Parts: sequence; C-alpha cells; structure tokens
Amino acid sequence: DTEVTQTPKHLVMGMTNKKSLKCEQHMGHRAMYWYKQKAKKPPELMFVYSYEKLSINESVPSRFSPECPNSSLLNLHLHALQPEDSALYLCASSQGGVSSYEQYFGPGTRLTVT
Amino acid sequence: GQQVMQIPQYQHVQEGEDFTTYCNSSTTLSNIQWYKQRPGGHPVFLIQLVKSGEVKKQKRLTFQFGEAKKNSSLHITATQTTDVGTYFCAGGSGTYKYIFGTGTRLKVLA
Repeated sequence: DTEVTQTPKHLVMGMTNKKSLKCEQHMGHRAMYWYKQKAKKPPELMFVYSYEKLSINESVPSRFSPECPNSSLLNLHLHALQPEDSALYLCASSQGGVSSYEQYFGPGTRLTVT
Repeated sequence: GQQVMQIPQYQHVQEGEDFTTYCNSSTTLSNIQWYKQRPGGHPVFLIQLVKSGEVKKQKRLTFQFGEAKKNSSLHITATQTTDVGTYFCAGGSGTYKYIFGTGTRLKVLA
C-alpha cells in the first residue's frame, strides 16, 4: 500500500470556525509533512513530524496547529483562518532518518475560507 | 532566504519534440528531487539525485545534478501527450527540509 489518504477532499469554512484536516498512511513511514499550495504555485513546506515529534515549523501562523497522534496519522487543526489561507493543503510522508527519501503525497484538501 | 527557480515557466511543444527544464538554487543543496504534478492532481515523485555531477535516466527522461550541487535539469526526449503537467524540482537543504522550485508547466500539442 503506497497511498496517503486525506480527508476531507473539500472544505469551506468561515473565519470564526474551527476545523481539522486529516492525513493517514500505512507505509510505515516515520516522517510526515504538511504543505500549502496556492493555484499555479509550488508547494510550500509548513510542518514536518519525524518519529511523531515536530521537527520543522516554517514560521507558520499559530492559527494552524499540527498534531501527530501516532506514526500513521497527521492532523492539521485550523482556527480563525483568513481568506488568504484558501489553498490546497497537501500531506506527504517518507521514510525517516538522516538520509533523504522520496515523499509520497496525498490528493490534498482544497480549503476555501469565506 | 533560500530560493529555487525554474525556467522556463511555461513550455508548449509539439508531440515528438524534446523538452528541458532547468532548476537553479541560491544555495548548495544536499540533494534534489523531481516531481510531476498533473492538472488537478498531486505531486508524484520521479527521481532523487544526491551526488555532484550525477546523471540518471528513466526511459525518455534524463536528470542531471550540477557539479556545484546548485542546479539540475530534466530533459524529456520525444514528448508524448501523457507528459503534460507541471514539473517541480525540490531542493533538499537538510533532513526533511525541501524547497520546491517555481515549476515548469508543460503542454504537449498532438
């Protein structure tokens, strides 16, 4: 199984709402990533969890809160977002460790903030 | 901060023509990965290059990593309509940290 799944596929939320994005993989990967991608732009790294610990936070605003409950799951909690946060949110996973490994991306959650 | 630029931004080719995209980093990279993203899809890993001057081939695709580990290229021979999409390089600058290039959008005309 080389699949990364993400739910929901689409999400529309108001600026005062609280919502969560979910990501799951069963490849035994120990690194999981959140990326944000605006239309016609490259993915931008937001967070990386390595062995369930937050290892990279690319100065993301606190209205985005990541969580890694176990080695297969990754959540992104959203609160008080702004319209400019509307984007495709991609989750990825890779093997863990000091070497570099290919990232497997999920299909993404398309988020619209109204 | 670190930047990874790709040229060209767009490329339209006739089916059967060759295509090349170039990737340039402002800093020395530990490795480089290449991804393809189809319209409406997600990035799919193509290859990883680690060594200075490394060249790898996958069927019609040839990937190079520069001697200084600051640039890379992807060359497609005899493009097909299935090659349509956006090609991104992703520069590795430490464990798990990747900066995606600006991307090259390829359109293949049948």
